Amino acid sequence: AQSVTQLDSQVPVFEEAPVELRCNYSSSVSVYLFWYVQYPNQGLQLLLKYLSGSTLVKGINGFEAEFNKSQTSFHLRKPSVHISDTAEYFCAVSETSGTYKYIFGTGTRLKVLA
Amino acid sequence: DTGVSQDPRHKITKRGQNVTFRCDPISEHNRLYWYRQTLGQGPEFLTYFQNEAQLEKSRLLSDRFSAERPKGSFSTLEIQRTEQGDSAMYLCASSQGQATGYTFGSGTRLTVV
Repeated sequence: AQSVTQLDSQVPVFEEAPVELRCNYSSSVSVYLFWYVQYPNQGLQLLLKYLSGSTLVKGINGFEAEFNKSQTSFHLRKPSVHISDTAEYFCAVSETSGTYKYIFGTGTRLKVLA
Repeated sequence: DTGVSQDPRHKITKRGQNVTFRCDPISEHNRLYWYRQTLGQGPEFLTYFQNEAQLEKSRLLSDRFSAERPKGSFSTLEIQRTEQGDSAMYLCASSQGQATGYTFGSGTRLTVV
């Protein structure tokens, strides 16, 4: 079974500052990793995914994440945030075969301050 | 590609009533998933369809819950005899294989009073 831990429930950051949202996972098998963003009263939108290959993954809206197998982490980063990045961010893991169901973390609320 | 559509967006119902939600996935996607999200939590897996076959159900899906996907197109999720604990956002997602990731709908927010 897999599990995902997002240690930070809330992260406040000033506009144009860098941000890192942390995600650690646990799994006994190979996994795929994802980051999704959720704006209020909306569904989830895929930011980026790691399937294989390069451990640095670039996504939409200037976000990137680095897969670290030894530390079982997949932290999300952005060098300069905007007010519009204020949202809930979810890390998710899935097995590489079978149903591909996702196990989500509890989310990190990013609040960008002016 | 019109995305994943869910209907209704909001539903308020009295405890004990039955409710049904609909999900229309992206037409070429053969995989369909239902998730439940409560306040302050990440989405939790409920069930999965590949085409019309329901291949996995979570233990969260009690006997009061049933899902269908006739003809491998749209899907419905029915909750019978609703309880206050059923209040949540119900999310539908579809995909055409793992490499693409899921596309989520906007969800149906259920409030049981």
